[in-house]
Amino acid sequence: DQQVKQNSPSLSVQEGRISILNCDYTNSMFDYFLWYKKYPAEGPTFLISISSIKDKNEDGRFTVFLNKSAKHLSLHIVPSQPGDSAVYFCAASASDNTGKLIFGQGTTLQVKP
Amino acid sequence: DTGVSQDPRHKITKRGQNVTFRCDPISEHNRLYWYRQTLGQGPEFLTYFQNEAQLEKSRLLSDRFSAERPKGSFSTLEIQRTEQGDSAMYLCASSSRGRMNTEAFFGQGTRLTVV
Repeated sequence: DQQVKQNSPSLSVQEGRISILNCDYTNSMFDYFLWYKKYPAEGPTFLISISSIKDKNEDGRFTVFLNKSAKHLSLHIVPSQPGDSAVYFCAASASDNTGKLIFGQGTTLQVKP
Repeated sequence: DTGVSQDPRHKITKRGQNVTFRCDPISEHNRLYWYRQTLGQGPEFLTYFQNEAQLEKSRLLSDRFSAERPKGSFSTLEIQRTEQGDSAMYLCASSSRGRMNTEAFFGQGTRLTVV
């Protein structure tokens, strides 16, 4: 049972354009959502998060949008840079306060110069 | 550097052997998590500690797996009688239970290959 889904395995965008990565979840108990970035042979690096009481959080070039009714979140990167090329994971944690994360399968982003 | 540290980075072992991995979390973090990641998948939760107490274990953590955090600082993950299906990246993460929601910081992982 995949509670967090990233349905696009890969995405390719041109440098300077917007990258939009999508994530869907099924568990209504999730109340905190995070995006991680991962380079090959490294651990995931935290990017940005959003609490379920908000619908948008922005940090520099990165913005996360949350649509609770649709159980959908998205990460916008603008402008995209070649250094953004990596695997992006969406993750969610429930209100049980364990901090345990449920991850999606990841989306590989390639930003072309 | 005060990030999460994992050792070793890579481990190749023969089927049936025991292996042990170590994780040193960020020093002020009281929560420590172990995850496993296989090719093409996101990390999957294995277990977590709050201080020295192991509070939850996933169904993925069979009897051959054991984790400890003896003094609430570093943690070890041992796999006994390794099988080829254990080949994966084992990730450790830590976080601080000071606020309601807080991100977890990951180490660079230990890549296990069972031959």
